Amino acid sequence: AQTVTQSQPEMSVQEAETVTLSCTYDTSENNYYLFWYKQPPSRQMILVIRQEAYKQQNATENRFSVNFQKAAKSFSLKISDSQLGDTAMYFCAFMMNRAGSNYQLIWGAGTKLIIKP
Amino acid sequence: DVKVTQSSRYLVKRTGEKVFLECVQDMDHENMFWYRQDPGLGLRLIYFSYDVKMKEKGDIPEGYSVSREKKERFSLILESASTNQTSMYLCASSPGTGLRQPQHFGDGTRLSIL
Repeated sequence: AQTVTQSQPEMSVQEAETVTLSCTYDTSENNYYLFWYKQPPSRQMILVIRQEAYKQQNATENRFSVNFQKAAKSFSLKISDSQLGDTAMYFCAFMMNRAGSNYQLIWGAGTKLIIKP
Repeated sequence: DVKVTQSSRYLVKRTGEKVFLECVQDMDHENMFWYRQDPGLGLRLIYFSYDVKMKEKGDIPEGYSVSREKKERFSLILESASTNQTSMYLCASSPGTGLRQPQHFGDGTRLSIL
């Protein structure tokens, strides 16, 4: 069964620091997508970044980047120059083919990130 | 921007009541999803739908049912609410098929069953 593990339930860093959130997953699939979502205290889940398994180049979105290690099944999120608005729950998710053309996201338990002023 | 609207942000119901959670999306997305979110467990899929009147069970469908009579609306129904269904419920939608399509979420409904 596919699983996603986020080993850090909570982290806190000072504003402007760099922080890395870890995520590992388990799958026998070759073609898949990985996502990081952010859920601020206002609760709406927002896509942060996504990575296709076939692409060796790590995805980047402004201050957010990933370190994708396919052989190790690791997909960590790095936030550079952290800001107070980055305070949120961060979820790692893996997209799998459930049946036919149906796809399902498998979610990690989340990491609560607190940015301190 | 995609807008996914859930009818209530907070809801309090009593054990045994029939509860309806409504979700509407405005981007003509084919796929819609209902999750429940509990601390330490992440998001767990209850049901999803990839077309009008179509539904598929997710990982935890017991005690729930869904309805999708129109493309833009996906309803979650708790036939006889129980206290273990107290949770945060999230609705999401996504376009078409394929691995790369991200899901777009509503604000969530915090449901308490007394």
